[in-house]
Amino acid sequence: DAKTTQPPSMDCAEGRAANLPCNHSTISGNEYVYWYRQIHSQGPQYIIHGLKNNETNEMASLIITEDRKSSTLILPHATLRDTAVYYCIVASNTGKLIFGQGTTLQVKP
Amino acid sequence: GAGVSQSPSNKVTEKGKDVELRCDPISGHTALYWYRQSLGQGLEFLIYFQGNSAPDKSGLPSDRFSAERTGGSVSTLTIQRTQQEDSAVYLCASSSRRSRATEAFFGQGTRLTVV
Repeated sequence: DAKTTQPPSMDCAEGRAANLPCNHSTISGNEYVYWYRQIHSQGPQYIIHGLKNNETNEMASLIITEDRKSSTLILPHATLRDTAVYYCIVASNTGKLIFGQGTTLQVKP
Repeated sequence: GAGVSQSPSNKVTEKGKDVELRCDPISGHTALYWYRQSLGQGLEFLIYFQGNSAPDKSGLPSDRFSAERTGGSVSTLTIQRTQQEDSAVYLCASSSRRSRATEAFFGQGTRLTVV
């Protein structure tokens, strides 16, 4: 399974967009990019996933570079409740999800 | 229920005892995962069941750990002769394969404390 690299922590002002980067330079052609988040003391929560095209849902947008070696998760208007650890995962075709250390996002008032 | 259910939510056991942790996945989900999370750490993959395929046990830390999934539904994670380093939150997740997408839904976990 391809590995991902994320910054350990980021800050964001409440109401502003949070842009969380992820590098996955060894991603294979059939592997998806997934984003999950874990709010303190809760189980991880699925956010969004993509293969090649940019994706948007009610929670976030996912921008994948044309070479697929990196991606950015965008929370358009961050709130205090978005404070969490965000995990970028590249899923193999077996579907096994391997979590790294993620990025701790702190949204500040 | 609509989500992944784990029981018990908390378990305190004495060192050397065996424990069983249960996971009820979302109905119809063919994939089931077990992870553990020690205090302040990330999620450590333990085992992965996918349909009728042989489970991927590559994450089990020792032969004291085992898991089974009966009838493609409920799963039990068993830890024999528990040690203090086994103390962690054990998380279960399930997913339904749609093409190759793997959106997993997590339970709230079982907090295991070995004293």
